[in-house]
Amino acid sequence: DAKTTQPTSMDCAEGRAANLPCNHSTISGNEYVYWYRQIHSQGPQYIIHGLKNNETNEMASLIITEDRKSSTLILPHATLRDTAVYYCIVRDDKIIFGKGTRLHILP
Amino acid sequence: EAQVTQNPRYLITVTGKKLTVTCSQNMNHEYMSWYRQDPGLGLRQIYYSMNVEVTDKGDVPEGYKVSRKEKRNFPLILESPSPNQTSLYFCASRQDRGHSNQPQHFGDGTRLSIL
Repeated sequence: DAKTTQPTSMDCAEGRAANLPCNHSTISGNEYVYWYRQIHSQGPQYIIHGLKNNETNEMASLIITEDRKSSTLILPHATLRDTAVYYCIVRDDKIIFGKGTRLHILP
Repeated sequence: EAQVTQNPRYLITVTGKKLTVTCSQNMNHEYMSWYRQDPGLGLRQIYYSMNVEVTDKGDVPEGYKVSRKEKRNFPLILESPSPNQTSLYFCASRQDRGHSNQPQHFGDGTRLSIL
């Protein structure tokens, strides 16, 4: 079973911030949280990752709760090109992708 | 350009005819992995390799073989393909030695149809 839980789908208006939650209540102390996205049937694209501090890069921000049991991926100004399935995973040699969150950006 | 290359990108074949999907990476990554993706099931790991001559089963290894004789290549072998192996396959690699938190790089995918 996947070690993370995400909503099946979400909508976000174009230009607004998209906040995608992920629960990883069984995460261990040295496991990172990674976010990827997949557009149509292309290969998954890496977005961001973090251990316990919040992270930001040119694509997104990652907010990790203090107990590390959940995190939120923030796309600050969503565009139609951000329509994709977003996967949250925890670092493991035997990596398991769940079903992800299908994000719809509404014009 | 850093990349993971899969071949072929598309293949239609028949039950029982052995096939190999190649995967090559030019980033000197230690870790490589194969996934399959089916509608409604997300990405599922088939096999992974921590380094040369080291391979291990993922979640759905049945019906597949892999080898890691050299660092850059990680072929996926279907000895006797069956229709339930019709799927979209992805290869990925990741730097591991001394960099335990690096993300994976994925290939563009191989769409297999087994008739």
